[in-house]
Amino acid sequence: GAVVSQHPSWVICKSGTSVKIECRSLDFQATTMFWYRQFPKQSLMLMATSNEGSKATYEQGVEKDKFLINHASLTLSTLTVTSAHPEDSSFYICSASLSDRGLGYTFGSGTRLTVV
Amino acid sequence: AQRVTQPEKLLSVFKGAPVELKCNYSYSGSPELFWYVQYSRQRLQLLLRHISRESIKGFTADLNKGETSFHLKKPFAQEEDSAMYYCAPFRGSARQLTFGSGTQLTVLP
Repeated sequence: GAVVSQHPSWVICKSGTSVKIECRSLDFQATTMFWYRQFPKQSLMLMATSNEGSKATYEQGVEKDKFLINHASLTLSTLTVTSAHPEDSSFYICSASLSDRGLGYTFGSGTRLTVV
Repeated sequence: AQRVTQPEKLLSVFKGAPVELKCNYSYSGSPELFWYVQYSRQRLQLLLRHISRESIKGFTADLNKGETSFHLKKPFAQEEDSAMYYCAPFRGSARQLTFGSGTQLTVLP
């Protein structure tokens, strides 16, 4: 149980276009989801906290107009990379909190974004 | 600021040898700490929580408040333990999970 599905697993897009990444909680409701970014051989960096029905909270240095987060339902959060540039190429990972069960967090399988 | 340090980026041990992955924290208040593991081509998954004091896959981790450490230990490493290990604290009232820099463990045959 407690599976988070992330889609797509990889995407290639042209510079200047926008890309949407979906994160779904399959068998539970997630009022809070989190988006991370991971560069090659580096750790996960928290980008933003996504709260159902309200605005996302962004970490310092993360551009909210570039990385649009929408959490319209208890099972879906989306991250849209707008006007993508090659430097946005990275591995994006979402997670959902299971803290009410004392189980920490569960993670999606990640999305490899390549901007050409 | 709440922060964890994983001093070893890479760690190699032989199969059957003991292994210890270090994690030190600097915190105000009581930390909530986890160990997460990422096997090759798999998603990140929870390994241990400090509050549960459990043993998973032979791994244990004890929160040492005197040394401000939460080292991950296993007495006899197996090849399948080769993976990236992250020490991860909850941060603040929002309970956001943040990650240390990670340690890549390689267990040699």
